[in-house]
Amino acid sequence: QVTLRESGPALVKPTQTLTLTCTFSGFSLSTSGMCVSWIRQPPGKALEWLALIDWDDDKYYSTSLKTRLTISKDTSKNQVVLTMTNMDPVDTATYYCARIPFLQSGAFDIWGQGTMVTVSS
Amino acid sequence: QSVLTQPPSVSAAPGQKVTISCSGSSSNIGNNYVSWYQQLPGTAPKLLIYDNNKRPSGIPDRFSGSKSGTSATLGITGLQTGDEADYYCGTWDSSLDVVFGGGTKLTVL
Repeated sequence: QVTLRESGPALVKPTQTLTLTCTFSGFSLSTSGMCVSWIRQPPGKALEWLALIDWDDDKYYSTSLKTRLTISKDTSKNQVVLTMTNMDPVDTATYYCARIPFLQSGAFDIWGQGTMVTVSS
Repeated sequence: QSVLTQPPSVSAAPGQKVTISCSGSSSNIGNNYVSWYQQLPGTAPKLLIYDNNKRPSGIPDRFSGSKSGTSATLGITGLQTGDEADYYCGTWDSSLDVVFGGGTKLTVL
């Protein structure tokens, strides 16, 4: 059974750096084509893609946010970590990690439950 | 402002059929696979359609997808009250971003 679970702080202050961890099971990020991605959703708003890391350690970032994002993986721990710098109240959102089993497809087949992050002083 | 354009809302009666459109450009839908997601209230999105028209295991054949040029369509037949949700389309863009539509709220009257 494939599962992903997000973890991280529920509250961060403006200008701080957010670090989120996605812990997954049931698949290997070393498998050719496999990717893990981060997506966020502000309350009442649409999905917004943030970043993706693939089996070959290639990284893809949202054009609008790439100066603030870093994604990395620890294959031995089955974890993917996202850091976002200089947090602002507009970054308040539910943050999801999700699996893409085939990079070219771009389809997120399994999602974590999400973790709500509030940015407030 | 989302890169992909969806109608904000659609509605239909139980048992009826509804379609949700997703409009893009040659930079995204025109040259990439489209996927569709269902998000029930308070839950994470769920993959309904991938590679334009394929259904993951467990997704009933009431859900279908199609693509033509720079637009894609999600169809749902035999509407049920449990289908009330937000629906999103997504695809790769030539900028190497994954882009989503703004979402469509389905109401089953």
